[in-house]
Amino acid sequence: EIVLTQSPATLSLSPGERATLSCRASQTIRNYLAWYQQKPGQAPRLLISDASNRATGIPARFSGSGSGTDFTLIISNLEPEDFAIYLCQQRSSWPITFGQGTRLEIK
Amino acid sequence: QVRLQESGPGLVKPSETLSLTCSVSGGSIGSNYWSWIRQPPGKGLEWIGYVFYSGSTNYNPSLKSRVTISVDTSKNQFSLQLTSVTAADTAVYYCARDLNFGVNGGFDPWGQGTLVTVSS
Repeated sequence: EIVLTQSPATLSLSPGERATLSCRASQTIRNYLAWYQQKPGQAPRLLISDASNRATGIPARFSGSGSGTDFTLIISNLEPEDFAIYLCQQRSSWPITFGQGTRLEIK
Repeated sequence: QVRLQESGPGLVKPSETLSLTCSVSGGSIGSNYWSWIRQPPGKGLEWIGYVFYSGSTNYNPSLKSRVTISVDTSKNQFSLQLTSVTAADTAVYYCARDLNFGVNGGFDPWGQGTLVTVSS
């Protein structure tokens, strides 16, 4: 199965700053990568599908890029509500797998 | 918009069968794939399997021998059964619409999740 490795494990930033999160796949997954935001006690929320397509209602400060094995989620101008855990997920091959997450915390 | 709600027992004894139902509202269960995903406390997400509205299924090989996912289109529901549970099956179980066969991919929306604890 494809392993997704997210880095860093924890990212400490201040509101207004820019966050850069990474997800690396153990083999090529073309652009078949999604990003989610998860807050404590809540279900994940889809942010980005197929590497760069923002889901409905997701603010423009969230952007995704990458293809092959290396992917990036950028959150520009961090808002207080953006501090959460971010997860990536691949759909290139079965079984579908998720990364372990990056915790974005307030500095 | 489409909403999902999980229901079922929050406590299951070891070796017994975990049974959960996901009710879909605000839209039809037809023409879509639907998945179950779980998250052990403090750990990552694990995709369990999907069911298509026609009844076809696909499961994670790690759980395949113990999992059955079924759909009831008349009730707009789909269900999960996991047999021979152990403490390792303790997790928050989520149901979600599975868009991974579509143009863009991903799971959206998700149910709120339900914690199932395996303990005697």
